[in-house]
Amino acid sequence: NAGVTQTPKFRVLKTGQSMTLLCAQDMNHEYMYWYRQDPGMGLRLIHYSVGEGTTAKGEVPDGYNVSRLKKQNFLLGLESAAPSQTSVYFCASSYTKGTQYFGPGTRLLVL
Amino acid sequence: GIQVEQSPPDLILQEGANSTLRCNFSDSVNNLQWFHQNPWGQLINLFYIPSGTKQNGRLSATTVATERYSLLYISSSQTTDSGVYFCAVDPGGYQKVTFGTGTKLQVIP
Repeated sequence: NAGVTQTPKFRVLKTGQSMTLLCAQDMNHEYMYWYRQDPGMGLRLIHYSVGEGTTAKGEVPDGYNVSRLKKQNFLLGLESAAPSQTSVYFCASSYTKGTQYFGPGTRLLVL
Repeated sequence: GIQVEQSPPDLILQEGANSTLRCNFSDSVNNLQWFHQNPWGQLINLFYIPSGTKQNGRLSATTVATERYSLLYISSSQTTDSGVYFCAVDPGGYQKVTFGTGTKLQVIP
């Protein structure tokens, strides 16, 4: 099992560009999450999903959109990137309750 | 929202020493997790522990939900224990998780 994978690993964007981050899990987990981690801080929840076709806002949802068209995939979109969105993005998945399993992260730099 | 405070923020240990990391939270929670982020950035779940005590090798954790704190014990520390330890709580049971700011641990040989 690959666990949780994220694509891409690293990306540089110019202000105003758009991009989509892909998260995939092969553990048949119901719940999936997107977090961002900024220097010296813990992780902050952007959006999450409790099942295929559902999404919900987390702590810092502004500037991001998500979709969960398939159970195994959770996509995070930035429609118009801003320098404040420079961060490391982590995806995670879990059963309805319990341990969250994290992907390796995506480093995003917005110039 | 719920506040999660971790202490100490930084900790330096000699290899072989023991340590206790603390996580305080401001409201009742349905679940609590401890994570280790290694120097390469990978996040590994250590414990899912909404209450009680669990042990896994040299690590153990205790959560006293009624008093709103959790402790992570590391015994006989090794250099591979270095990294940042995060506590994460879910107050509502819907997995809307809030992370603390972490304890940065450095174990020196």
